[in-house]
Amino acid sequence: QQQVKQSPQSLIVQKGGISIINCAYENTAFDYFPWYQQFPGKGPALLIAIRPDVSEKKEGRFTISFNKSAKQFSLHIMDSQPGDSATYFCAAANEHSNNRKLIWGLGTSLAVNP
Amino acid sequence: DSGVTQTPKHLITATGQRVTLRCSPRSGDLSVYWYQQSLDQGLQFLIQYYNGEERAKGNILERFSAQQFPDLHSELNLSSLELGDSALYFCASSTGTGNTGELFFGEGSRLTVL
Repeated sequence: QQQVKQSPQSLIVQKGGISIINCAYENTAFDYFPWYQQFPGKGPALLIAIRPDVSEKKEGRFTISFNKSAKQFSLHIMDSQPGDSATYFCAAANEHSNNRKLIWGLGTSLAVNP
Repeated sequence: DSGVTQTPKHLITATGQRVTLRCSPRSGDLSVYWYQQSLDQGLQFLIQYYNGEERAKGNILERFSAQQFPDLHSELNLSSLELGDSALYFCASSTGTGNTGELFFGEGSRLTVL
């Protein structure tokens, strides 16, 4: 059962545009939502994370928007650059559970055209 | 560089064989996680060890086993290999016990089963 659904599977954006990746979750007990970025030939690396006490978190050109009632969160990449071309994974976990496993989305392959 | 070292980077073997993948976590990290990444399944959590003890189990097949040694390095053993076991295997480490802190991934071991 896929508890975190990520869309789209792939995304092509022009340089300078906004990239938007969406994730939806089912388990209302989730309270930690990270995004990981993976370049070809590399392992994923933490990009940004949010907890449900805030509706938005921004780090540079990367913003997470969180909608608790809709059980959705999204990653926005402003002024997208070719160097942002990578696979992006959303994930979710319950920090207060004995089983605090991260549940991962299936990933979004982002290509930013120059 | 995440500080997590995985060997070998590439491995080609035949069906029915057994292989061992090795992971050295970041200095000071007590948790080690193993993930399998395939094109259609995304990142699949296999197993986590914390300070030598098994902490959490994911979708790990009975043909697979892992352990974490006193020096905190970990090995993932894959036996009776099948074509479907071909994938990227990632090791990650973190300081804490749960999955809700930052995970630092190695560059992966690409296994090809012929």
